[in-house]
Amino acid sequence: QLQLQESGPGLVKPSETLSLTCTVSGGSITSGSYYWGWIRQPPGKGLEWIGSGRHSGSTYYNPSLKSRVTISVDTSKNQFSLKLSSVTAADTAVYYCARRSPMTTVTYYFDFWGQGTLVTVSS
Amino acid sequence: EIVLTQSPGTLSLSPGERAILSCRASQSVSSSYLAWYRQKPGQAPRLLIYGASSRATGIPDRFSGSGSGTDFTLTISRLEPEDFAVYYCQQYGGSFTFGGGTKVEIK
Repeated sequence: QLQLQESGPGLVKPSETLSLTCTVSGGSITSGSYYWGWIRQPPGKGLEWIGSGRHSGSTYYNPSLKSRVTISVDTSKNQFSLKLSSVTAADTAVYYCARRSPMTTVTYYFDFWGQGTLVTVSS
Repeated sequence: EIVLTQSPGTLSLSPGERAILSCRASQSVSSSYLAWYRQKPGQAPRLLIYGASSRATGIPDRFSGSGSGTDFTLTISRLEPEDFAVYYCQQYGGSFTFGGGTKVEIK
């Protein structure tokens, strides 16, 4: 069974860069034609897609966050990562990593999710 | 950006009752790009429906999805205790967006 696990600092200072890693187990990050994504959820609020990437290096981002986001995939470690720069209190949220549906289908969804990690932006 | 509006915000029902949740898009969405999730407190969302009407692996048949264009519906035929949660619709139109959620609570 595929499993995803987020890791990284739970506290980030304003104006600094938030960095998270998602470790994939139970399957290879290069198998199939999957994209791997990040979604966040501010406390008590709804879901916001941040962006997605593939092992090929292909990425695409939420236009509202694009200028601050970088997603990369490390095939040697079976991990993918998120960097969000110039953070403010508005970036405080639970951050989830997830597997997006394969490119070979015409449907778009996220079928496997990590448990999520809370990141607080505060000095 | 396509905005998804879910209604009602909260649905108060009893176990065994039918729940009907609505998701309305600000512009037409391909049915292939519409999905539904259930999120229990403290947990990650779980995929229920993709392609507007296809059940995800392991999802019981009390869950069904329908709709097209700008109006989509998630129906839970008989509410089980684990179904009292928050439900989100999601679309892809070059970028993913989620609806604001519908909370199904015990009456």
